[in-house]
Amino acid sequence: NAGVTQTPKFQVLKTGQSMTLQCAQDMNHNSMYWYRQDPGMGLRLIYYSASEGTTDKGEVPNGYNVSRLNKREFSLRLESAAPSQTSVYFCASTTLSYEQYFGPGTRLTVT
Amino acid sequence: AQSVTQLDSQVPVFEEAPVELRCNYSSSVSVYLFWYVQYPNQGLQLLLKYLSGSTLVKGINGFEAEFNKSQTSFHLRKPSVHISDTAEYFCAVSERAAVNKLTFGGGTRVLVKP
Repeated sequence: NAGVTQTPKFQVLKTGQSMTLQCAQDMNHNSMYWYRQDPGMGLRLIYYSASEGTTDKGEVPNGYNVSRLNKREFSLRLESAAPSQTSVYFCASTTLSYEQYFGPGTRLTVT
Repeated sequence: AQSVTQLDSQVPVFEEAPVELRCNYSSSVSVYLFWYVQYPNQGLQLLLKYLSGSTLVKGINGFEAEFNKSQTSFHLRKPSVHISDTAEYFCAVSERAAVNKLTFGGGTRVLVKP
């Protein structure tokens, strides 16, 4: 039981490049989330998916897109990376009693 | 929309001393409350949660928190800390009608000194 896994762990992009962050969970959770973490700001919700086939915007969705590929996988895409998107990105999934399980994170730097 | 304020960005504390991390929230509706811990270079892990019932909630690793509705607070306490409690702690809130939208505070970094 791996929990929530994320790839890659680290990534450096140049401004304007695109990339997809991958996330998978093996706990059969319905809901999945993408957050970004910036110093002093806690975690901010980018997008979430309450169930397979649905996605909704969170607090900071601009510049991102998501895909809920199936119940296990939820990917985050940056179409044209900007330096303001330098951050640590966390994927999470939640139990029916609202406990969120987090992945190890992806540290992204945009130069 | 709800918001969360963690009043201390850093808390230094000596080993075996008690610690209290303060959290205040604002919301016009009923909420669920959570404390998460993040060890260096890791994801977050749930310490405890308040959904309903008793306002004193016990969590893992000897932590507890008390929900105070009148003061809109959810402070976290531990009577005796260990070096291994060095980490960053996050308070979070969601409205009961929108449980998928979790709002986090800015975090409190706890440094336990020997």
